[in-house]
Amino acid sequence: GAGVSQSPRYKVAKRGQDVALRCDPISGHVSLFWYQQALGQGPEFLTYFQNEAQLDKSGLPSDRFFAERPEGSVSTLKIQRTQQEDSAVYLCASCLLPGQSYEQYFGPGTRLTVT
Amino acid sequence: GENVEQHPSTLSVQEGDSAVIKCTYSDSASNYFPWYKQELGKRPQLIIDIRSNVGEKKDQRIAVTLNKTAKHFSLHITETQPEDSAVYFCAASRSAGGTSYGKLTFGQGTILTVHP
Repeated sequence: GAGVSQSPRYKVAKRGQDVALRCDPISGHVSLFWYQQALGQGPEFLTYFQNEAQLDKSGLPSDRFFAERPEGSVSTLKIQRTQQEDSAVYLCASCLLPGQSYEQYFGPGTRLTVT
Repeated sequence: GENVEQHPSTLSVQEGDSAVIKCTYSDSASNYFPWYKQELGKRPQLIIDIRSNVGEKKDQRIAVTLNKTAKHFSLHITETQPEDSAVYFCAASRSAGGTSYGKLTFGQGTILTVHP
């Protein structure tokens, strides 16, 4: 079956522009995570959704970052007034159910470059 | 919060040799430890995981060991092959009261190169 998909795969934004990154999780997966992966680093947690509820946004680096999952499936990560330090790969992962018993399936990521 | 340290950052081996990657974690409440393989430009993929009630787990050429007392866990790859070349990440996750949803804290990654 289809895995997690993300779009766009690559995004170049001028500093100060707003961007929107989309994640299509595996159908029926309840849990959805966003991670940020800087060059040469491991992914870092940004936020977590259980269905449409955003239960943890402790990893969002500033109030310029906003995420939503209004119908409990597709999720969008929005970054306002992008800065150079926002350049990274943004990974989405979905999981069948909450908890550690279920594997997180990652999407291919969106590589954001802020110039 | 949790902090995961991973070593070495790069590892170069000859085909057929073994490779070992080590991670330490800080949160004694962490109880789930997955390992991910990420090829260049690709998504991370789970290769093996271990839970805190187990000391060792093996899957063909890959094994993971966990020492809860010392708060460290290791990935062992035997009989390495060129296709094992990738970046490997360890991660840790904890249960937190009734809200265990599996948030992962990752190490910094190890670039493994297997020379034919």
